[in-house]
Amino acid sequence: GAVVSQHPSRVICKSGTSVKIECRSLDFQATTMFWYRQFPKKSLMLMATSNEGSKATYEQGVEKDKFLINHASLTLSTLTVTSAHPEDSSFYICSASRGAGVVNEQFFGPGTRLTVL
Amino acid sequence: AQTVTQSQPEMSVQEAETVTLSCTYDTSESDYYLFWYKQPPSRQMILVIRQEAYKQQNATENRFSVNFQKAAKSFSLKISDSQLGDAAMYFCAYRSASSYGKLTFGQGTILTVHP
Repeated sequence: GAVVSQHPSRVICKSGTSVKIECRSLDFQATTMFWYRQFPKKSLMLMATSNEGSKATYEQGVEKDKFLINHASLTLSTLTVTSAHPEDSSFYICSASRGAGVVNEQFFGPGTRLTVL
Repeated sequence: AQTVTQSQPEMSVQEAETVTLSCTYDTSESDYYLFWYKQPPSRQMILVIRQEAYKQQNATENRFSVNFQKAAKSFSLKISDSQLGDAAMYFCAYRSASSYGKLTFGQGTILTVHP
């Protein structure tokens, strides 16, 4: 149980276009989902936290208008990179939390590699 | 704000030997959780072990154990009988008990296992 999927796993797009990444909790309802960005051999950097039905909370320094997050249901959150540029190329990881139990563990998706040409 | 520090960018170990990965953290809170995650080349984050700060007993999961020193704010991971499949990047992470699940990660340690 507690499986999180991401789609697509890899995407290549042209500069100036928008890209949508989906994050789904397959066998549980996720009260909270998190979006991370990771550069090669670096740590995960939290971009934003989303709760179903409400606006996402962005970390300092993350452009809200560039990285649009929608948490439309308890099993789906989307990250849209708008007007993508080569510097947006990175590995994006989502995680989902059930909000249950003392630890409230996060379950991670397999990640999406974005390459902007 | 909480910070997590992993001072070992890279570590290596011989197969079947034991290795310890270091992690220190800084917080003013008394109630929190600590985690070690493994990220193999597939990039899938895998929870290795977790520790509740209110528990004095160190957590263990098969070949993985932690040395949790709350006063020193230290949380090291010991991997016993290392296997080739243990090769990965390991992240130490902190979560406040009062937060909604937000994790603060350390910089990571790349572990190489030599046959």
